[in-house]
Amino acid sequence: DTGVSQDPRHKITKRGQNVTFRCDPISEHNRLYWYRQTLGQGPEFLTYFQNEAQLEKSRLLSDRFSAERPKGSFSTLEIQRTEQGDSAMYLCASSPRQVPYEQYFGPGTRLTVT
Amino acid sequence: AQTVTQSQPEMSVQEAETVTLSCTYDTSESDYYLFWYKQPPSRQMILVIRQEAYKQQNATENRFSVNFQKAAKSFSLKISDSQLGDAAMYFCAYSPPGGGADGLTFGKGTHLIIQP
Repeated sequence: DTGVSQDPRHKITKRGQNVTFRCDPISEHNRLYWYRQTLGQGPEFLTYFQNEAQLEKSRLLSDRFSAERPKGSFSTLEIQRTEQGDSAMYLCASSPRQVPYEQYFGPGTRLTVT
Repeated sequence: AQTVTQSQPEMSVQEAETVTLSCTYDTSESDYYLFWYKQPPSRQMILVIRQEAYKQQNATENRFSVNFQKAAKSFSLKISDSQLGDAAMYFCAYSPPGGGADGLTFGKGTHLIIQP
């Protein structure tokens, strides 16, 4: 069990560019979550996958955001036409089938939009 | 919608002393889960302790214990024998039963400072 991993750990981009983040959950965890955390705040839910199906999306997830989880394994989160307000830590978490409410977090990807 | 409130932005405690972090929540559900997560500086979120709402007994994990008051919707974390490594942001979080499609709902966090 290597834990949840995220790549890259840091990303600096210019406003208007597209960025993509990757999350590899703990193996055999069927649920995967994306959160956004801004400075001084707790994480806010963005979206959730059960296996490869995206079952829920927060209203925080504008149409510039898209997430995928092909084959129910790793997941990607893409932000198109980035804005300065997108600057945040993007956290991924996964949970097992047996204990679905217990989420394990990755180290996050810190996005800075200049 | 569920809400989680942490009213203490920052707490400070002397090493080896005991500190209690407060959390209140609001929900119309009768079955749910509550968590305390620890987020050290520049490090990932770690699950500290979990409480099932249907259990009357308060959860305990080594030096960490909770005081769960369901009627008052209160869920505080007590850290005994504080250590320097306990310094971190602590987040209280709520989950509906079954994990829920809305993920975890977090409070804004309490910054815990450990003074040597």
